[in-house]
Amino acid sequence: DIQMTQSPSSLSASVGDRITITCRASQSISTYLNWYQQKPGKAPNLLIYGASSLESGVPSRFSGSGSGTDFTLTITSLQPEDFATYFCQQSFSTPLFTFGPGTKVDI
Amino acid sequence: EVQLVEAGGGLAPRGGSLRLSCAASGFTVRSSFLTWVRQAPGKGLEWVSVIYSGDYSGGNTYYADSVKGRFTISRDNSRNTLYLQMNSLRAEDTAVYYCARLRGYSYGTAFTNDYWGQGTLVTVSS
Repeated sequence: DIQMTQSPSSLSASVGDRITITCRASQSISTYLNWYQQKPGKAPNLLIYGASSLESGVPSRFSGSGSGTDFTLTITSLQPEDFATYFCQQSFSTPLFTFGPGTKVDI
Repeated sequence: EVQLVEAGGGLAPRGGSLRLSCAASGFTVRSSFLTWVRQAPGKGLEWVSVIYSGDYSGGNTYYADSVKGRFTISRDNSRNTLYLQMNSLRAEDTAVYYCARLRGYSYGTAFTNDYWGQGTLVTVSS
């Protein structure tokens, strides 16, 4: 099974900051990597698919990069509504697409 | 507009059963890849089960090892609804259960969960 790790597990930031979250796969997953945002009590929301493709309707301050085993999610100019938990997910190893443990971004 | 609405969660005894449903609108479940994902209180997301499109992929089903042999994913095309039958429930099955649609990209070689339901809470009493 492919294991996903994320770092940091949590981070504190301020409005207007630029932040980067890292996701690492236990083996190469090409660019089969998705990013989700989840706010308390809500379902996850798709941000990025294919490592770097921005989902329709997602603000351009979100971006993703990487391939193989190392990936990053970057948020430029953090907004109040961006304080949430972010999960990565691999879709390389079908049929079970595992998630990373999450990164909580708070003020 | 695509919508997924789960129902059927609640309190169940250890060893008991529950059936979750996920009513879909804005697309047909028969032609879609659909998943159940769960989240234990204060924890991360766990992939539980997937059912492949009945039109293109034979409707195959797959399960996480943690639920294999106890949970069954199915769909009712006439009701446009996805189900998760959960038997032999354990305390560790306590979680919010989400249904989510899988969307293919890269010519169908990769997938992402593009729409999610609001979730339904399952609590297994110990």
